[in-house]
Amino acid sequence: AQSVSQHNHHVILSEAASLELGCNYSYGGTVNLFWYVQYPGQHLQLLLKYFSGDPLVKGIKGFEAEFIKSKFSFNLRKPSVQWSDTAEYFCAGLTGGGNKLTFGTGTQLKVEL
Amino acid sequence: EAQVTQNPRYLITVTGKKLTVTCSQNMNHEYMSWYRQDPGLGLRQIYYSMNVEVTDKGDVPEGYKVSRKEKRNFPLILESPSPNQTSLYFCASSGLGSGYEQYFGPGTRLTVT
Repeated sequence: AQSVSQHNHHVILSEAASLELGCNYSYGGTVNLFWYVQYPGQHLQLLLKYFSGDPLVKGIKGFEAEFIKSKFSFNLRKPSVQWSDTAEYFCAGLTGGGNKLTFGTGTQLKVEL
Repeated sequence: EAQVTQNPRYLITVTGKKLTVTCSQNMNHEYMSWYRQDPGLGLRQIYYSMNVEVTDKGDVPEGYKVSRKEKRNFPLILESPSPNQTSLYFCASSGLGSGYEQYFGPGTRLTVT
């Protein structure tokens, strides 16, 4: 069965530090991967997505992710985080013919001033 | 404005009292889904629908029902709610035109006592 795993459950960083959140997926075939962000009290918003092509994907708010097929990974990165990046981040993979998103358990990021 | 709406946003109820959470989208999307979000578990799919009158179980369907009589609406029904259904619920929609990006509603926080 397909699964998505996130290894970092809680991350605390100081402003301007670099960020990398891990995401691994466990299924083969066509791979469509997403990163979503959930700010406190809000719904999920799409940060970026990978369907095909350039494995380095750039998203909103300065985030990027790299799809590495050999490592089954899709890690999220940001060179310099801001206090406003405090949120929960979810990696997800699309299966089921385009309808089913399988989510990782999420990473809670706290950025301190 | 393209959006997914859910009602109610907050609901406190008692065990066994039937309830319905409504979901509506205005993007003419074919796919709609319901997810529940629980701490440490991420989001798990409850039910999904690929089009009108076509629904199927997700990962955690027990205790829930859905219907899709119109393309824009996808209500979630709890016929006999129990305390273990206390959770944060999200409706989402997606379509071929959106590149399978799922748009999420604002969430419904349900407490069953």
